[in-house]
Amino acid sequence: LAKTTQPISMDSYEGQEVNITCSHNNIATNDYITWYQQFPSQGPRFIIQGYKTKVTNEVASLFIPADRKSSTLSLPRVSLSDTAVYYCLVDTGYSSASKIIFGSGTRLSIRP
Amino acid sequence: NAGVMQNPRHLVRRRGQEARLRCSPMKGHSHVYWYRQLPEEGLKFMVYLQKENIIDESGMPKERFSAEFPKEGPSILRIQQVVRGDSAAYFCASSPEVRGSEQYFGPGTRLTVT
Repeated sequence: LAKTTQPISMDSYEGQEVNITCSHNNIATNDYITWYQQFPSQGPRFIIQGYKTKVTNEVASLFIPADRKSSTLSLPRVSLSDTAVYYCLVDTGYSSASKIIFGSGTRLSIRP
Repeated sequence: NAGVMQNPRHLVRRRGQEARLRCSPMKGHSHVYWYRQLPEEGLKFMVYLQKENIIDESGMPKERFSAEFPKEGPSILRIQQVVRGDSAAYFCASSPEVRGSEQYFGPGTRLTVT
């Protein structure tokens, strides 16, 4: 089973670029890497998903090296509203015996 | 297009009672997932269902917990004889395709067992 490891917390300031790295050493060939954002008392919200190399959308970029054993979520020019918990998720396949594993989450705090 | 709906948003039960949590997936989504989140902890996968089928229940406690997703109506997570340790936020998510696709989460049901 692919298990993910993330930093427990990170601090940054408004306007900075923030990079959060997730380790997933046992990722399987068919696994995708997905990142979610969660605010207090709300359900998680999808940010970005990728399989390899680089993916970019209107809110973030996701960098995945060739060995796929880690991934980095990049948030450009963060604001106070980006303060949240960020989860790295590796989906371990489609069989009935597989299990969806969320990482422990990274608590990101943005300061003025 | 309405998002994932969950009700009730808050549920209080006494020890030994039953709790029923409902989840209506987004329109066109046929895959539903249930997660549990304890205070200050991450989400723990419980069960993955498609219409009328339980695909993966490897995260479900062996006793007192059950889930269904009937042909008509919402998905139901049922907890029998609740105990204080069941107090948590329960989130439902849905997706349009097989596992690995983007999941859309509901606002959650916060269960408090007194």
